[in-house]
Amino acid sequence: DTGVSQDPRHKITKRGQNVTFRCDPISEHNRLYWYRQTLGQGPEFLTYFQNEAQLEKSRLLSDRFSAERPKGSFSTLEIQRTEQGDSAMYLCASSLPWASANVLTFGAGSRLTVL
Amino acid sequence: AQKITQTQPGMFVQEKEAVTLDCTYDTSDQSYGLFWYKQPSSGEMIFLIYQGSYDEQNATEGRYSLNFQKARKSANLVISASQLGDSAMYFCAMREGGNTDKLIFGTGTRLQVFP
Repeated sequence: DTGVSQDPRHKITKRGQNVTFRCDPISEHNRLYWYRQTLGQGPEFLTYFQNEAQLEKSRLLSDRFSAERPKGSFSTLEIQRTEQGDSAMYLCASSLPWASANVLTFGAGSRLTVL
Repeated sequence: AQKITQTQPGMFVQEKEAVTLDCTYDTSDQSYGLFWYKQPSSGEMIFLIYQGSYDEQNATEGRYSLNFQKARKSANLVISASQLGDSAMYFCAMREGGNTDKLIFGTGTRLQVFP
């Protein structure tokens, strides 16, 4: 069990560029979540998948954001035409939903800085 | 209205002493779950403890216990015998019932343990 892996850990980009983050969940976990955390705040839910199906999306996930989990394993989060307000830590988590508490295991995050 | 409120932006505690981190929540659901996560400076969210709304006993996990007062809608985290390694951000979170699987986080409390 290698935990939840996220790549890259840090990304600096210029406004208007596209960025993509990758998340590899714990292998036996079939739920995968994306959260965003800005400075001084708690994480905010963006979306989650069960296997390859995207089951819930937050209104925070504007049309510039798209998340995929094509084969029910790793996931990507793409942000198009980045804005300075997109600067944040993007956290991925995975879980086994039938466990009693459905505890999320988080990765170390991908920090995005938009200049 | 905020669903999770953590009113202590920062707390100090001496090593080996106990400390209580406050959390109040707001929900009209009867079925919900409450979580505490620790976030060290490395950024990874670490699960500490879970309390289900129907659990009659307060949850305990090693040095962590959750003081669950349902009528007051509070779920305070108690850390006994604080250690220097406990210095971190602590987040309270709630998952409501129904079809959602998102966690709603508070703004966190920064705990600093001094020798």
